[in-house]
Amino acid sequence: GQQLNQSPQSMFIQEGEDVSMNCTSSSIFNTWLWYKQDPGEGPVLLIALYKAGELTSNGRLTAQFGITRKDSFLNISASIPSDVGIYFCAGYHNAGNMLTFGGGTRLMVKP
Amino acid sequence: EPEVTQTPSHQVTQMGQEVILRCVPISNHLYFYWYRQILGQKVEFLVSFYNNEISEKSEIFDDQFSVERPDGSNFTLKIRSTKLEDSAMYFCASSVEGFRGNTIYFGEGSWLTVV
Repeated sequence: GQQLNQSPQSMFIQEGEDVSMNCTSSSIFNTWLWYKQDPGEGPVLLIALYKAGELTSNGRLTAQFGITRKDSFLNISASIPSDVGIYFCAGYHNAGNMLTFGGGTRLMVKP
Repeated sequence: EPEVTQTPSHQVTQMGQEVILRCVPISNHLYFYWYRQILGQKVEFLVSFYNNEISEKSEIFDDQFSVERPDGSNFTLKIRSTKLEDSAMYFCASSVEGFRGNTIYFGEGSWLTVV
């Protein structure tokens, strides 16, 4: 199956710092989605990207759909304690309905 | 805000028993999905469902699994004879349309523990 390689696997940062995480694939993805998952809960959609090169913001979050369609990054500016959680990239590889997830980035924020 | 709801939130079952997980997708959505997440691992696709039939399924979704939309609001996942390795969080999701440009919304999950 298609693979999304997400990095870093975990980050431990100080409150107020900016955060960057990314996903890469050897295959082209047609849509990139970024989700946040809190412990014991389902993934919550943060940002959706539909076109190569697209740059989209949602508050302190910014994500970009790579020009090659094989990568995407998510930036969080001025992190706060409630940003703690696991962030997943996800994408559609082809015309089907299967969403492929990356391995997740666990973010920890020190107040 | 509309949301996908799932029941039960947690179920413990003995190996070999049948389990049914229930979901109520967002009301105007037409595509429904089940995903699972083994503890500490990434979310994995199981199956998508549209117009009362399976439209796509992964290799995880073997003959032990089945899905059904018994009425106009519920969408269920049945595991016929559970195995220890079926222990996972199962997420239901739905979307308005099924093509790749659409986003899907997840429920809060049903945590299944097989003992």
